[in-house]
Amino acid sequence: AQSVTQLGSHVSVSEGALVLLRCNYSSSVPPYLFWYVQYPNQGLQLLLKYTSAATLVKGINGFEAEFKKSETSFHLTKPSAHMSDAAEYFCAVFIEGAQKLVFGQGTRLTINP
Amino acid sequence: DTEVTQTPKHLVMGMTNKKSLKCEQHMGHRAMYWYKQKAKKPPELMFVYSYEKLSINESVPSRFSPECPNSSLLNLHLHALQPEDSALYLCASSQGQGSSGNTIYFGEGSWLTVV
Repeated sequence: AQSVTQLGSHVSVSEGALVLLRCNYSSSVPPYLFWYVQYPNQGLQLLLKYTSAATLVKGINGFEAEFKKSETSFHLTKPSAHMSDAAEYFCAVFIEGAQKLVFGQGTRLTINP
Repeated sequence: DTEVTQTPKHLVMGMTNKKSLKCEQHMGHRAMYWYKQKAKKPPELMFVYSYEKLSINESVPSRFSPECPNSSLLNLHLHALQPEDSALYLCASSQGQGSSGNTIYFGEGSWLTVV
């Protein structure tokens, strides 16, 4: 069954430091993968998506993710963290058979000044 | 424009009340979704409408009743809810349910408190 696992429920980095949020997927077929961000008391906003066109995907707000089939990973990175990046981040996979988007457990990103 | 609009933003209702959550999109999307999100948890799918017909019901209790009056509108009717139903209810839409590459766009959500 297709699923995603986010490693680390909470990540804390200093302002200006590299952000790395980990997501591993489980799928026997090429997956459709997404990263969403949820700011406090708000809905979900799409950061980026992988649909097999390119392994390095660039998203909004300076984020990018690289699809690595050999590692079954789709980690989210940003070179330099800003205070405004503090939020909950969800990795998600679209499950073809069930025709639905399924989310990982989420990673809360905290930025230290 | 990638906007999904939900009303109300906040709703407090008693266990005997009947209320509705509303969702609207004007992107021409033909698939619309209701997700439920409890605190500190990921969203969980409740219902999917495709071309105005209910295509997925994730075994949701009948006290939640979805309705899709037209391709732009999605309602969630609430009746005889329990306190444990308190959550953030997210509406979403996508171009079509059948294409895996389609992006699902979410609204800001409706915060529901059942007292």
